[in-house]
Amino acid sequence: AQSVTQLGSHVSVSEGALVLLRCNYSSSVPPYLFWYVQYPNQGLQLLLKYTTGATLVKGINGFEAEFKKSETSFHLTKPSAHMSDAAEYFCAVARGSSASKIIFGSGTRLSIRP
Amino acid sequence: EAGVAQSPRYKIIEKRQSVAFWCNPISGHATLYWYQQILGQGPKLLIQFQNNGVVDDSQLPKDRFSAERLKGVDSTLKIQPAKLEDSAVYLCASSLVSGTVETQYFGPGTRLLVL
Repeated sequence: AQSVTQLGSHVSVSEGALVLLRCNYSSSVPPYLFWYVQYPNQGLQLLLKYTTGATLVKGINGFEAEFKKSETSFHLTKPSAHMSDAAEYFCAVARGSSASKIIFGSGTRLSIRP
Repeated sequence: EAGVAQSPRYKIIEKRQSVAFWCNPISGHATLYWYQQILGQGPKLLIQFQNNGVVDDSQLPKDRFSAERLKGVDSTLKIQPAKLEDSAVYLCASSLVSGTVETQYFGPGTRLLVL
């Protein structure tokens, strides 16, 4: 069965600093992996996804994530944090032939200090 | 392109009352999902429709929750009677197959508070 663990329910970084949000997954088959962002009082928006091929995936808003099979990880990074990046971030793994059944992690709240 | 629409955005009810939420997916998206997101947790799938048929409702508490998508477009999720633990954000999503992987697009959600 697939599952996702997000390390750290709350991460705080200074504006301009590196953002690193950690995600580890468990899957018995090659996974499809996602990062979603949720701004206050809004729905989830897809940041990026890994399906096959290149293990470094670039997403929107300057975010990227690297699939590391040996570490069962899919950590999300951004070189320089911006105030507008403050939000809740969810890592997710998909199951099923079309990856339609998504299992979400519990989320990491990112705060940006001025 | 218009996004996934949901209404109402907020609802406050007392326990044992009934409530219904509405979702209109992105035009042309055959698959529709309802998720429950409890405060501090990730969304949990309640039910998945493909057109007007149910694909997966294994996580839907069927003694009190029901959902329908009669014409394969918009959908309604109902809770009857509500319990305190139903307080959550109810998210609707629709999807389009991109390659071999579906991309789900989420609506803004309906925030339900049960008193």
